[in-house]
Amino acid sequence: GAVVSQHPSRVICKSGTSVKIECRSLDFQATTMFWYRQFPKQSLMLMATSNEGSKATYEQGVEKDKFLINHASLTLSTLTVTSAHPEDSSFYICSAVSSNQPQHFGDGTRLSIL
Amino acid sequence: QKEVEQDPGPLSVPEGAIVSLNCTYSNSAFQYFMWYRQYSRKGPELLMYTYSSGNKEDGRFTAQVDKSSKYISLFIRDSQPSDSATYLCAMSATGFQKLVFGTGTRLLVSP
Repeated sequence: GAVVSQHPSRVICKSGTSVKIECRSLDFQATTMFWYRQFPKQSLMLMATSNEGSKATYEQGVEKDKFLINHASLTLSTLTVTSAHPEDSSFYICSAVSSNQPQHFGDGTRLSIL
Repeated sequence: QKEVEQDPGPLSVPEGAIVSLNCTYSNSAFQYFMWYRQYSRKGPELLMYTYSSGNKEDGRFTAQVDKSSKYISLFIRDSQPSDSATYLCAMSATGFQKLVFGTGTRLLVSP
């Protein structure tokens, strides 16, 4: 149980492109989903917290107009990196949580902006 | 000083060894403690979680929390090459919402 699916797993695109990443909880309803960014050999950095039907809460230093988060249902959240540039290249990981259970993570999306 | 400190390793052990992975923390309000395993280019996978102090065992894995010392450990018995991964500790003061992660320890188990 507690499976989180993230898609796509890999994206390579040109600078200026907007990229959408999907995060789905497959076998449970996620009250909250989280979006993280991970640089090589570093830990996860929380970008934003997303609750179904409400605006996401962004961590300090994360541009909300750059990283658009939509959480339209209890099983789906999306992260859109708008007008992506090479410095946005990173490993993006989502997680989902329900009730009083630990966070379960997707397999991440490796984003490369050329 | 970081809230959670974890030795990045790598920690290299032979197959069959007992592995000890550790994290220290500074925030005495932390009550929830988790260990995640992350393979290269994959998301973290939850191994174990504990609330407050004490031990918890699951198969070859044992998690220990010593709140008085602000120190948590994960022991892996009879380590296997498939255990080679990065192990992340995570903790929180209020449930599982806002986690603070360690930087991860890279473990290499050689056949």
